[in-house]
Amino acid sequence: RKEVEQDPGPFNVPEGATVAFNCTYSNSASQSFFWYRQDCRKEPKLLMSVYSSGNEDGRFTAQLNRASQYISLLIRDSKLSDSATYLCVVEGAGNMLTFGGGTRLMVKP
Amino acid sequence: EPEVTQTPSHQVTQMGQEVILRCVPISNHLYFYWYRQILGQKVEFLVSFYNNEISEKSEIFDDQFSVERPDGSNFTLKIRSTKLEDSAMYFCASSGVSVALHFGNGTRLTVT
Repeated sequence: RKEVEQDPGPFNVPEGATVAFNCTYSNSASQSFFWYRQDCRKEPKLLMSVYSSGNEDGRFTAQLNRASQYISLLIRDSKLSDSATYLCVVEGAGNMLTFGGGTRLMVKP
Repeated sequence: EPEVTQTPSHQVTQMGQEVILRCVPISNHLYFYWYRQILGQKVEFLVSFYNNEISEKSEIFDDQFSVERPDGSNFTLKIRSTKLEDSAMYFCASSGVSVALHFGNGTRLTVT
């Protein structure tokens, strides 16, 4: 199993749609989880941390399932500006953050 | 909002040459990192640095790579003898109390 695995997409959705991404991770000892957003040829930017109890930030909701070793990101009421690649990031061995390959989202008018 | 800054934004070099990529982390952060991203591929960890020494490094970070914090603000990545496959975006990042990384806007390294 890859350390951090994501469906590369692309997910093509209309404006206003709800879209969800999942990510699985292999290290059961991981303690920290994040979603980052990366625009084309730009640096990754922190979108949100993922907490055990789940957390919400506006239109974005992140959930963690430790038993099944996956995290999810839900985006409600998609905007054109949400088009980007969403990177799942997991604390790996030695406290290093390991990135998934990213899921590409394209929101269309 | 404090930022991580990187220079240059684009570096072109010939194979076999040495390059130094520069970063100024966020001032009150204590942990510093270099990551790279080959075009179309995922972000890969190179090295982490804490308390003036390397704390972790990946298999990519071989003897051709080195890092240094020459003063209180800069954090550099040196590649001694560049290869074609070193062409990538190199991202510097820093973190404070939280593990979450704050990235600079990257240096695009092109080795010809």
